[in-house]
Amino acid sequence: KQEVTQIPAALSVPEGENLVLNCSFTDSAIYNLQWFRQDPGKGLTSLLLIQSSQREQTSGRLNASLDKSSGRSTLYIAASQPGDSATYLCAVIGTGANNLFFGTGTRLTVIP
Amino acid sequence: DAMVIQNPRYQVTQFGKPVTLSCSQTLNHNVMYWYQQKSSQAPKLLFHYYDKDFNNEADTPDNFQSRRPNTSFCFLDIRSPGLGDAAMYLCATSRAGPNQPQHFGDGTRLSIL
Repeated sequence: KQEVTQIPAALSVPEGENLVLNCSFTDSAIYNLQWFRQDPGKGLTSLLLIQSSQREQTSGRLNASLDKSSGRSTLYIAASQPGDSATYLCAVIGTGANNLFFGTGTRLTVIP
Repeated sequence: DAMVIQNPRYQVTQFGKPVTLSCSQTLNHNVMYWYQQKSSQAPKLLFHYYDKDFNNEADTPDNFQSRRPNTSFCFLDIRSPGLGDAAMYLCATSRAGPNQPQHFGDGTRLSIL
């Protein structure tokens, strides 16, 4: 069964710093990997989706990479802002399934 | 704006009293999903509809049922809520196909008294 791990569980950085969030998954047979943002008490906002044939995706200050063979993805946030404070979740869809397998997230705090 | 809407945002019910959560979408997506997310845990898929075809996850309790009367609406029914069912319930939609992103609503937080 697919397992998704995110390290660290929590991260605090001063405003303006660049940072990297990590995601690893045990089964490399995936269709895609999706990064989400979740604000407290809210639903999930999709940030980036990387298909299994892609290596990276970029949106504004966000860049997500995927190394399927090693079962890893990173989310790079440039020039962090207090408004980036949230929990970031990664999720993968395995082949033969519609199910998103989620990690437990990294809670990011950007300190003004 | 096209979106996924969940009502209500907060729901309180009594132990054992049936409750229904609703989800609607204006995206015209084929697939609708219900996830359960307990505090500090990852969302867990309960079931999904591919058009009218219902797909239940193997470990979803029988206490949870779902209805999709049309493309736009999907309901989650909890027949006899227990204290362990208190959680955030998230609805999501996507187009058909494994490379389609899932779009989530803001969730309904369910409390059990």
